[in-house]
Formats: sequence, structure tokens, C-alpha cells
Amino acid sequence: GNSVTQMEGPVTLSEEAFLTINCTYTATGYPSLFWYVQYPGEGLQLLLKATKADDKGSNKGFEATYRKETTSFHLEKGSVQVSDSAVYFCALANYGGSQGNLIFGKGTKLSVKP
Amino acid sequence: DVKVTQSSRYLVKRTGEKVFLECVQDMDHENMFWYRQDPGLGLRLIYFSYDVKMKEKGDIPEGYSVSREKKERFSLILESASTNQTSMYLCASSLSKQGEAFFGQGTRLTVV
Repeated sequence: GNSVTQMEGPVTLSEEAFLTINCTYTATGYPSLFWYVQYPGEGLQLLLKATKADDKGSNKGFEATYRKETTSFHLEKGSVQVSDSAVYFCALANYGGSQGNLIFGKGTKLSVKP
Repeated sequence: DVKVTQSSRYLVKRTGEKVFLECVQDMDHENMFWYRQDPGLGLRLIYFSYDVKMKEKGDIPEGYSVSREKKERFSLILESASTNQTSMYLCASSLSKQGEAFFGQGTRLTVV
């Protein structure tokens, strides 16, 4: 079945460091891919998305490229800020599946120190 | 902007109580979902609904039921709350089965 695997955290970085959070997926066909962010005590917010191979999603300085050949959708940011501290979830659209519309990774907690 | 509103941010209930968690969305979305979130386990789907009066079991439906009498409202019911149902509950809605989901702010439920 469809699944998402993302790197385990927690990840701790200093302010202005480069961020990469790895995400790989297993799916039939060409699902849309998403990154969500969850700030402390809040629900999930959509950060960015890509709907087809080689698409690059971007938002708030974060980027991720849909790589079909490596079945990956890694999240990157060139210079993180303290305000980026949150939990990040990779997800794919589970079309054709019976378990709701999105399959989530387990989340990666990011802490950015000043 | 899509708004998904959950009725409570924090809730404390006693073991054995019947608990209702309410969720309302204002964007006429067909699809609605209930997840629970626990440390180390990520998000787990409890129930979902693709239409009014329809419901489908997710990964962990045991001990829960749902109600969708109106398109905008999706309720999660804990028939007899137990301490292992202490968790963060997240409601979401989406326009299409392959599109992004929009989440409410979450309800942190504690069962004592």
C-alpha cells in the first residue's frame, strides 16, 4: 500500500543554518505530495505542495521538489529562523485508497536555537 | 480562507463519560476526517466521511463513532471514554479526495 517515510527527529539547528528533512514515499501512480507544519499547540497547516513529477513547491523560504525517479520530496530551507521551530509532516494523496485522502509520515520535530 | 473550527481547545472528562467533539467547516467541502495524534505515532485516522450521512472507518475506529447529519459538521463521539483515549484530536476537511486537507486547531482531550 501507499506509505510515507520521513527522517526521524528531533532536529536541532542554529539560526541561519541550512535545513533538510528527508521524505520518501511508496505509491502507485503519481500522487500529489505535501508538506504540513504544526506549531506548538496548533493544528496542521499546509506549507507547500507539488502535484506532478519535477514540480517544485515553495512557501516562506521552504522548498521541495517532486522527484519521481527517487520517489522523494525532501524539504529544504536555506536559512532557518527560531520561528521555524515546529513539527513538519510529509504527506501524499492516497487516491485509489480506502483510508482517507492523505497518508502522513510520522513527523519531524525541528528546534532552532538563537 | 478555509476555516475548520473545533468546538474546544482543551477538554477534561471522566472515565466512562460519553464525549462529543464537534467540528465545523465553512467551505462546503465534501470530505471530512478525524485523526488522533500521539507522540511517536504521528497522525492516525479514526473515521472519515465523503458525504452527508456517510462514514468510513479509518485505521483505529474502535471506541469511537461519528455523525454527519449536515455537510458542514462532523462529530466524533467517544461512547465511553477511557484513559487510553487521552490524546490530541484533529479534524480536517478537503474539497476533493486527492487534494490537500485543511485542519482545525485541535482538541486536547484528557480522560481522568
